[in-house]
Amino acid sequence: RKEVEQDPGPFNVPEGATVAFNCTYSNSASQSFFWYRQDCRKEPKLLMSVYSSGNEDGRFTAQLNRASQYISLLIRDSKLSDSATYLCVVSAGKSTFGDGTTLTVKP
Amino acid sequence: DAGVIQSPRHEVTEMGQEVTLRCKPISGHDYLFWYRQTMMRGLELLIYFNNNVPIDDSGMPEDRFSAKMPNASFSTLKIQPSEPRDSAVYFCASNGASTDTQYFGPGTRLTVL
Repeated sequence: RKEVEQDPGPFNVPEGATVAFNCTYSNSASQSFFWYRQDCRKEPKLLMSVYSSGNEDGRFTAQLNRASQYISLLIRDSKLSDSATYLCVVSAGKSTFGDGTTLTVKP
Repeated sequence: DAGVIQSPRHEVTEMGQEVTLRCKPISGHDYLFWYRQTMMRGLELLIYFNNNVPIDDSGMPEDRFSAKMPNASFSTLKIQPSEPRDSAVYFCASNGASTDTQYFGPGTRLTVL
């Protein structure tokens, strides 16, 4: 079993849709959690950190459930520009990246 | 501020040749990471340094791979001899001591023929 597992995707949604990604992790000692975004043929970039209380940044909401060891990312009112691969990252000193979930938003 | 800088951006070489990838981390960052990304295996951590010292190289695939960090502003990843299965995008990333947020360079796209 991988340390960090994500929805396999791909997700193909129309503009304006709400889409949610989940990610589970196996190391209960993990302390830091992030979502990164990676565009085609580009480097991963930090989208947002994930806090225990949950956090929101515009149309993006991240949640952490330590008891169940999963993280979620919700995107509301999807835009064409949201099309990318979303990587879940879990850190217990060393960061481990999930394989990513690909999102395609269509007109 | 300049981000993480990597060179070259693209490298095409023939099997058996030596390949050297270079990275300049963000100034002031204490941690430097080398990753490899392929469609089949995703993003894999190869090695990381803290204050120029290699901490964990368990991801380095074989003895053909070596990495150095002679000072706080420069690191190299060397593959000698290169093989076609080494073809991938190699990313360098860095972060400061007070955070786990990593900043990635643009990557080097390596093709070994």
